[in-house]
Amino acid sequence: DAEITQSPRHKITETGRQVTLACHQTWNHNNMFWYRQDLGHGLRLIHYSYGVQDTNKGEVSDGYSVSRSNTEDLPLTLESAASSQTSVYFCASSEQQSTGELFFGEGSRLTVL
Amino acid sequence: AQSVAQPEDQVNVAEGNPLTVKCTYSVSGNPYLFWYVQYPNRGLQFLLKYITGDNLVKGSYGFEAEFNKSQTSFHLKKPSALVSDSALYFCAVSGLSGSARQLTFGSGTQLTVLP
Repeated sequence: DAEITQSPRHKITETGRQVTLACHQTWNHNNMFWYRQDLGHGLRLIHYSYGVQDTNKGEVSDGYSVSRSNTEDLPLTLESAASSQTSVYFCASSEQQSTGELFFGEGSRLTVL
Repeated sequence: AQSVAQPEDQVNVAEGNPLTVKCTYSVSGNPYLFWYVQYPNRGLQFLLKYITGDNLVKGSYGFEAEFNKSQTSFHLKKPSALVSDSALYFCAVSGLSGSARQLTFGSGTQLTVLP
């Protein structure tokens, strides 16, 4: 079955360290998204991609970067982790002509000490 | 800019009673509206969507939602709640951004169904 997987599921890091969260989907979807989930804020869009070599900033992109070298993967990098980036991160994907239905990964819980 | 409001952080309902989770939206043009559900330590799962047509949309697990254009609302409903319906529910609106649609989510409503 097609799926979307995130790793690691849990990570603890220190302020200032670089962190990369992996996202891999086997749906062959063109569109991929990274969200962060925080209490009281719901899900907020960090970065998104509509295809290979395409990346775009979302609502809360400061301090984050992504790259899209193939269809399957969209890694999210925190260049210098900050305590404010402690959150649960969700990767999602959708078909190119999707009306908006997203398929989500299980989430990555990041704690920055 | 598009936005979604879920006015209730928490909804409690007794098992067997009807439930409603409220959502209002703001978007330019015709709205595409969605409900997602999140169980503990899981990703979000699609429940149902409204694109066009009948204002009452039926989805998974017996849920339905009613689109009301004049009130800009898209409330989630179920005639008889189950304990297993307890979860976090998100309303979302989809708007065009370039060539594809993006979802904007509400802040979520925690539904607790009491036995």
